[in-house]
Parts: sequence; C-alpha cells; structure tokens
Amino acid sequence: KAGVTQTPRYLIKTRGQQVTLSCSPISGHRSVSWYQQTPGQGLQFLFEYFSETQRNKGNFPGRFSGRQFSNSRSEMNVSTLELGDSALYLCASSRTSGRATDTQYFGPGTRLTVL
Amino acid sequence: AQKITQTQPGMFVQEKEAVTLDCTYDTSDPSYGLFWYKQPSSGEMIFLIYQGSYDQQNATEGRYSLNFQKARKSANLVISASQLGDSAMYFCAGGAGGTSYGKLTFGQGTILTVHP
Repeated sequence: KAGVTQTPRYLIKTRGQQVTLSCSPISGHRSVSWYQQTPGQGLQFLFEYFSETQRNKGNFPGRFSGRQFSNSRSEMNVSTLELGDSALYLCASSRTSGRATDTQYFGPGTRLTVL
Repeated sequence: AQKITQTQPGMFVQEKEAVTLDCTYDTSDPSYGLFWYKQPSSGEMIFLIYQGSYDQQNATEGRYSLNFQKARKSANLVISASQLGDSAMYFCAGGAGGTSYGKLTFGQGTILTVHP
C-alpha cells in the first residue's frame, strides 16, 4: 500500500507570494491533517479535513487555508507569504478521526523557504 | 486541551543497549491516545507505537515498548537493543476523541544518538 505523498518536496518563494501544497493520503483514509514544524515552535496543528469538510482548525491566521477533494486528496494554501512561514509542512492521514485510537501516518513533508 | 512534555533534549546510548525516552502528559479528556514517532534527518515522521488510555497492557512493537503509567501520567518509550539507525528525533504525541478531530499535540522531541 502506498504511503502518504506530498508535493512538492521543496519550495522557495519570496515574501508576498502565495503557495499551494498538495497531499495524497493512504488509500482508504478519509482524514487529512496538516502540521507546521519550525525549530522555534515545534510541531503545530494547522487543520483537519474529513469528507471534504474542515472539522478542526489550529491557531493560525486566515492566510492559511486548505481544502479536500472527493478523492480525499488535500491542498493547503498560504497567501501573502511571510519570512516566518518558512517551515516543514507535514501532512498526515488516518482512516477516521474523532477517536483517540486514530493513528496518523505522515508524508515526507514539504520544506518551504520564504526569502 | 492536552499538554505533552519531553524533558530530555538529547540522549546518548551505546549500540545494542536499551534506552528509555521520557514523556509525560496532561489532559482532561477521559479517552485519549499516546503515540510515538521517529523523525530522521530526512524529515518524515514515522509511526512507532500507540497506547490507548483504556488499554490494560503496555504496548509493544518489535524492539519498541511503551511503559504506560496512568497514575503518573507518563508514557515512556523503551527501545531495546539500540541500532545505529535508531539515531533520530523522537516525538511523543497525544490525541483525543470527541471534537479533537485530527489534532495531535506534540512534545518538544528528544534527539537520540546511538554510538557504535
């Protein structure tokens, strides 16, 4: 079974631009969560999508948005990029969500650098 | 809300020896799960082991075992017979049911270095 895939793996953008990251979950998984990882803040939850609906959102500004398609693939978008948005963005999928037993499996991440 | 604390920024172990990585948690959720992930320098988070709050026995997965002490709110990861490939960052994470959809709360991580 193929794992979680994320594209692109590396991205360099300049301040003010926008970026779209893509995540394909494991086949059969309907929940996709996104996380931002930085050296200073660690791993922080961005949002979660299930059946094309955002069901949970972390404490991030509205510049961070996402969506999920009918095949469970998900995209996240960051508009008006800031230097502080430089981070590793990780996507994770699970079969369901809302249960403490839901194990999340992560993709390789997209490393975003904002210049 | 959950809080996960890993107090060991770095740990060193000799190859073939066992090592324990500490994790304490604080949560008001009656049903929760605790997860350990390994993150090599490549960046990918690799799932290692899971322990549910209602599980009576400690979880084991190959060389990984979880020392779960509910009264102490600790969920320490034990790696037996360390290998050079175990050198990586290790994260403890907590998840809950209910409206905590898809949200894992992570600790700060522990960098494990295995010496030959």
